[in-house]
Amino acid sequence: QLQLQESGPGLVKPSETLSLTCTVSGGSVRSSSYYWGWIRQPPGKGLQWIGSIFYSGTTYYTPSLESRVTISVDTSKNQFSLQLRSVTAADTSIYYCARQGIRYTPDYWGQGTLVTVSS
Amino acid sequence: QSALAQPASVSGSPGQSITISCTGTSSDFYTYNYVSWYQQHPGKAPKLLIFEVTNRPSGVSNRFSGSKSGDTASLTISGLQAEDEADYYCSSYTSGITLYVFGTGTKVTVL
Repeated sequence: QLQLQESGPGLVKPSETLSLTCTVSGGSVRSSSYYWGWIRQPPGKGLQWIGSIFYSGTTYYTPSLESRVTISVDTSKNQFSLQLRSVTAADTSIYYCARQGIRYTPDYWGQGTLVTVSS
Repeated sequence: QSALAQPASVSGSPGQSITISCTGTSSDFYTYNYVSWYQQHPGKAPKLLIFEVTNRPSGVSNRFSGSKSGDTASLTISGLQAEDEADYYCSSYTSGITLYVFGTGTKVTVL
């Protein structure tokens, strides 16, 4: 059974970099059938796709965050990661990692991790 | 790429059927059948209910069904149950600068 688990600091200071890692078990990030993505949800609000990565390193980002986001993959550790630079309070959200299948549809999700941006 | 438009809330009594709409503005919505639907209970991750407009993943109840006509996709929940009370989101692939978009979300209340 595929499982994804987010990890990283729950508190980040304004202007610093948010860094999260998603560890995949029960499947491989090397699969040629899937992208691996990050999605966030501000408390009490809706979902926003952040970006996605293929095992080869090909990435896609949402335009509003593209200048601040980097998603990378480590196939040796079966992990992929998110970096969001120059964060503000508006970046406070639950961050989910997910496997993305047909036309990038997220089909398996991690449990999510709350990241608060505050000094 | 704007979020897909959904009604903020929909309610129904146990046993009834309800329908949640999802309206897209891009030509992709007309062209492609890549609309998905998710259910999210409080404090939980979203769960995929429907993909490619009408398909249910293994294990999802057949009380959930999807359809699309023109610029509007719909999720119908038949035989409404208390456990169906949750937030529901549509989503879709786009060929534009934003690869993937979600709907604004609909809160379903079981009366």
